[in-house]
Amino acid sequence: DQQVKQNSPSLSVQEGRISILNCDYTNSMFDYFLWYKKYPAEGPTFLISISSIKDKNEDGRFTVFLNKSAKHLSLHIVPSQPGDSAVYFCAARDTGANSKLTFGKGITLSVRP
Amino acid sequence: NAGVTQTPKFRVLKTGQSMTLLCAQDMNHEYMYWYRQDPGMGLRLIHYSVGEGTTAKGEVPDGYNVSRLKKQNFLLGLESAAPSQTSVYFCASGTGTQPQHFGDGTRLSIL
Repeated sequence: DQQVKQNSPSLSVQEGRISILNCDYTNSMFDYFLWYKKYPAEGPTFLISISSIKDKNEDGRFTVFLNKSAKHLSLHIVPSQPGDSAVYFCAARDTGANSKLTFGKGITLSVRP
Repeated sequence: NAGVTQTPKFRVLKTGQSMTLLCAQDMNHEYMYWYRQDPGMGLRLIHYSVGEGTTAKGEVPDGYNVSRLKKQNFLLGLESAAPSQTSVYFCASGTGTQPQHFGDGTRLSIL
């Protein structure tokens, strides 16, 4: 049973446009959500996070939105740049679960010059 | 500033062989984790540790053992490697409240 779902395996966007990456979850006990970015042959690197008590968090070109009632979060990248091309993983932390993270399958973002 | 270091980076094993993957972190983190990444599967937690001398099972622990004898090191062992364990293995560490930091992975192929 997949608790964190990234239903679109890939996304292609023109440079300068907005990239919207979506993530859905099923576990109501998740209290903290993160996005990681991964380049080939490297480990995932933390990008941005949001607590369940907030509905938006912004860091430069990256904004994460959380809709708790819909159990949905999204990552917006504006403007998209070719260097943003990577795999993006959505992850969620369960309250009191020893900080274990549950990851989605990832989405491959390609930003076309 | 090394962060999380994994050794080796690549390894090819034959079915039935054993090996140990080493993870070392220099950030004094209490928590350490081992994940595997397979195509189309995302990252799945194998085992984790909440402190020196502790270990616990994650989502996919079968066929693996771990040890955390020193706070900075977390070892992942395969006692009898199987082709199904061909994967990319990632180690991560964290404080428990801040995001986890990942190593660059070990690519393991089992023939």
